[in-house]
Amino acid sequence: TQLLEQSPQFLSIQEGENLTVYCNSSSVFSSLQWYRQEPGEGPVLLVTVVTGGEVKKLKRLTFQFGDARKDSSLHITAAQPGDTGLYLCAGRNSNYKLTFGKGTLLTVNP
Amino acid sequence: EAGVAQSPRYKIIEKRQSVAFWCNPISGHATLYWYQQILGQGPKLLIQFQNNGVVDDSQLPKDRFSAERLKGVDSTLKIQPAKLEDSAVYLCASSSQTGYYEQYFGPGTRLTVT
Repeated sequence: TQLLEQSPQFLSIQEGENLTVYCNSSSVFSSLQWYRQEPGEGPVLLVTVVTGGEVKKLKRLTFQFGDARKDSSLHITAAQPGDTGLYLCAGRNSNYKLTFGKGTLLTVNP
Repeated sequence: EAGVAQSPRYKIIEKRQSVAFWCNPISGHATLYWYQQILGQGPKLLIQFQNNGVVDDSQLPKDRFSAERLKGVDSTLKIQPAKLEDSAVYLCASSSQTGYYEQYFGPGTRLTVT
């Protein structure tokens, strides 16, 4: 069974601060996806990373896939209250099965 | 483009009762997934359909859970009889067979078993 460990589990910060959340595994993934889930809603796909070492930017969000394709990070610059939510990483293996981590619950206080 | 639709949004039942959830995927998406998300955890795959056929149901508790996808479009997930530990959000997702098989989720059904 492939496991994805996300850290930290909870994060509460003030508006304007920067933060990084991590997604780690002992397994290699063919691709990795990040989702954001708001209360009462389903997860919404933010990005897919495929190549080891790949960096993708989405406005104030920067996603990086580790060189060995076993880990990933999400960095948010100048966080805003609208960034509040549960951030989930999900790794896809060679059989196309998607495995989710438990998520990082982010709260950005005004 | 319409997203994944699910109903009902909320359901409260007593243990040992039965319940059914409905999902309509994004038009043209061949693959449909049902996930269970317990509070504080990430989604856990229950069953995956490719058109009408089941691709993966290894984590579906088959003694009480069943799912079908008639005509390769809509799907229903049923629990009979429900247990307290079935309280969770049930998410439906769909994906196309191109690109990176990115999944698009519905809003989920929050089930409370009392």
